[in-house]
Amino acid sequence: DVKVTQSSRYLVKRTGEKVFLECVQDMDHENMFWYRQDPGLGLRLIYFSYDVKMKEKGDIPEGYSVSREKKERFSLILESASTNQTSMYLCASSKSGTGKLAGGLYNEQFFGPGTRLTVL
Amino acid sequence: AQSVAQPEDQVNVAEGNPLTVKCTYSVSGNPYLFWYVQYPNRGLQFLLKYITGDNLVKGSYGFEAEFNKSQTSFHLKKPSALVSDSALYFCAVKRTNAGKSTFGDGTTLTVKP
Repeated sequence: DVKVTQSSRYLVKRTGEKVFLECVQDMDHENMFWYRQDPGLGLRLIYFSYDVKMKEKGDIPEGYSVSREKKERFSLILESASTNQTSMYLCASSKSGTGKLAGGLYNEQFFGPGTRLTVL
Repeated sequence: AQSVAQPEDQVNVAEGNPLTVKCTYSVSGNPYLFWYVQYPNRGLQFLLKYITGDNLVKGSYGFEAEFNKSQTSFHLKKPSALVSDSALYFCAVKRTNAGKSTFGDGTTLTVKP
């Protein structure tokens, strides 16, 4: 089974702190994603990565940055945490298919358990 | 651009009755469509997907969804609801094999005994 782990389930930080959220997947997936989940707003994509050292902005990248130095690890960084970044953060990964496997088995995302971040 | 609408924030059904959770989408080209479920205090889990082929897709836990291209819909259904189906359901659309998915805002399903 695919396993996606996140470094913390709960995190409390103070305004202005630099925050690191870590995500690791063990299935050699090319794609990794960071979302935040807020009530009534669904999942909103912050950043995603197609490959090592590659990253692309999602829908709400402001105030965040990411790092992907190894294929299995995707880090989300809050450079200076603010109270409006209090949220549930979800990491996910997915496999990219190619050739005859394109659109086949590898498109669904596998999610980690989430990190509930509170910024005071 | 791509978007997903889940028009109902809440769906309430009685145990044993059929359930439907609605999803409509907008995407250029052929869509890849997904349903995910989030049980209380747990992460999101993949339920089923439509990539190509039969319009009726069967997934986990007895759920199925019907792809309707003319109505741009992908409604989630189950013939007989269980109390344990109570959860938050998300529909998602993706245009290409790799890349980002767009999720709906979610629908809370409550199944009452």
